Amino acid sequence: DQQVKQNSPSLSVQEGRISILNCDYTNSMFDYFLWYKKYPAEGPTFLISISSIKDKNEDGRFTVFLNKSAKHLSLHIVPSQPGDSAVYFCAASRLAGKSTFGDGTTLTVKP
Amino acid sequence: GAGVSQSPRYKVAKRGQDVALRCDPISGHVSLFWYQQALGQGPEFLTYFQNEAQLDKSGLPSDRFFAERPEGSVSTLKIQRTQQEDSAVYLCASSPSRTGRGNQPQHFGDGTRLSIL
Repeated sequence: DQQVKQNSPSLSVQEGRISILNCDYTNSMFDYFLWYKKYPAEGPTFLISISSIKDKNEDGRFTVFLNKSAKHLSLHIVPSQPGDSAVYFCAASRLAGKSTFGDGTTLTVKP
Repeated sequence: GAGVSQSPRYKVAKRGQDVALRCDPISGHVSLFWYQQALGQGPEFLTYFQNEAQLDKSGLPSDRFFAERPEGSVSTLKIQRTQQEDSAVYLCASSPSRTGRGNQPQHFGDGTRLSIL
């Protein structure tokens, strides 16, 4: 039973356009959601997070949206840059405990 | 260093051997997590420490896996009598948060890639 799902294994966008990465979860007890970015042979790097009491959090080119009723969150990257090409993991946790991860989406931004 | 440090970066062992993986968390971070990441999948939780106390070991796949953090800083994950299915990347993460007291992101090391022959 996978509690966090990223249904798109890969996404390809043109430089300068918007990238939208999606994530669904099943456990309504999750209260904190995060996106991590991962390059090959490196550990995941924290990108942006959102608490369950909010529905949007923005940090520069990155915005995370949370729809609790649909148990869905998304990451928007605008504008996309070639350096954004990486694997993006969605994660969720409860009470600052362990994180449950999706299987990742590989984003390719083409120049 | 400023980040989470893991060693060795790569470890090759024969089936049946014991291995030990080390994690140096960010100084002052209370919480320490170990995750296992199989190829093409996301990290999966193994165990959690708050200071020196192991508060959750529900993710350890068998009693061959053992973790410790005796002084509340450096942690070691030990795998006894390794099997081929233990081959994976083992990630360590630390956080300044205590469970139940404020959400902060976990900071990950670059992992140890373990290959069992």
